[in-house]
Amino acid sequence: GAVVSQHPSRVICKSGTSVKIECRSLDFQATTMFWYRQFPKKSLMLMATSNEGSKATYEQGVEKDKFLINHASLTLSTLTVTSAHPEDSSFYICSARVYGGANTGELFFGEGSRLTVL
Amino acid sequence: AQKITQTQPGMFVQEKEAVTLDCTYDTSDPSYGLFWYKQPSSGEMIFLIYQGSYDQQNATEGRYSLNFQKARKSANLVISASQLGDSAMYFCAMRENYGQNFVFGPGTRLSVLP
Repeated sequence: GAVVSQHPSRVICKSGTSVKIECRSLDFQATTMFWYRQFPKKSLMLMATSNEGSKATYEQGVEKDKFLINHASLTLSTLTVTSAHPEDSSFYICSARVYGGANTGELFFGEGSRLTVL
Repeated sequence: AQKITQTQPGMFVQEKEAVTLDCTYDTSDPSYGLFWYKQPSSGEMIFLIYQGSYDQQNATEGRYSLNFQKARKSANLVISASQLGDSAMYFCAMRENYGQNFVFGPGTRLSVLP
């Protein structure tokens, strides 16, 4: 199946700093990627839809200036958590959907990134 | 309103037994897809099985099968011959009308007992 790679898997940063998380589609081109946030023992919450070559679409309640998304190529989307605070500590996971062929349109997920803000 | 409901926060099953994880959904779209994902403690999301709203037969993938009851809007996951490695969170998800977004349920934590 399609492979999505996410990096870093774990990151610890100081409050006030910015952190960048990368999401790459390794064997397919992803015009659209999705960024989710997951709190402990909770479900995935869609934060934003990342569109290659255009602005991301953010879900209601997600601060676009806080969570900067860049999708500069067909294989890379980045999420930057700016001026991180302890409440931003969470598990962030990206995904992409493969269109056509034998795929059923399922989402393929990256490994996830666990952010801890001190 | 909650679009995906998973009423079982936690489930236990004995190794080698079968287990059913419940999922009900709510949509007015005639065309939709239903998915089950497994999330082990490592955090990765693993796709298990897919059921399309127009599929006549229940989906099966190895030890996984989906009990699709369209009129009841339920899409329960059945895991046969449970293994210790099946212990994980299981999420039911829906994609409506070939749209981009998936909606995930709250999840069920399955624990397989030796």
